[in-house]
Amino acid sequence: AQSVTQLGSHVSVSEGALVLLRCNYSSSVPPYLFWYVQYPNQGLQLLLKYTSAATLVKGINGFEAEFKKSETSFHLTKPSAHMSDAAEYFCAVSEGRTGNQFYFGTGTSLTVIP
Amino acid sequence: KAGVTQTPRYLIKTRGQQVTLSCSPISGHRSVSWYQQTPGQGLQFLFEYFSETQRNKGNFPGRFSGRQFSNSRSEMNVSTLELGDSALYLCASSSGTTNEQYFGPGTRLTVT
Repeated sequence: AQSVTQLGSHVSVSEGALVLLRCNYSSSVPPYLFWYVQYPNQGLQLLLKYTSAATLVKGINGFEAEFKKSETSFHLTKPSAHMSDAAEYFCAVSEGRTGNQFYFGTGTSLTVIP
Repeated sequence: KAGVTQTPRYLIKTRGQQVTLSCSPISGHRSVSWYQQTPGQGLQFLFEYFSETQRNKGNFPGRFSGRQFSNSRSEMNVSTLELGDSALYLCASSSGTTNEQYFGPGTRLTVT
């Protein structure tokens, strides 16, 4: 069975500060991992994905995530927060390269303080 | 390329009614997945269709059903609506050969 745990349902950072959103996964097979962002009243936008090619994955808008198998983690980071980063962030795991049944975490709401 | 489109964007229904939601995937994509998003349960997978066949199914009652047409457009139907079906229903499009999914803006269903 697969599952995702996002620690911290709400995270607040100051503008310009480091953003760190935590994601831990459970998977019986090598996972495919994703981070999505959701702005109010919108769908989900893909930030980045891990597909075993490289453990450090760079995504859009300056975000990146590092896959750590020993810690079963895939934390999302950004060196310097912008006001426009305020949104809901979701980590997701998929069991196969073509299987599209995603298991999502409960989400982390990011607030950026000016 | 145009993105994933969902219609309608907002819908209000009464308990006991049924509803049909529509999703048009990105051109060339053959897989469509549906998700239900609620504040209490988060994002939950409903089902996936690929080339007009249901390929995966989540843990939802039979009141939730779907189908896919030859042009890859998909519809989701919910019968005998309950208050708890109020949610944002998201459709995701994928080529079908990778698991990279692109989401539509969703349909906000309110059941009164």
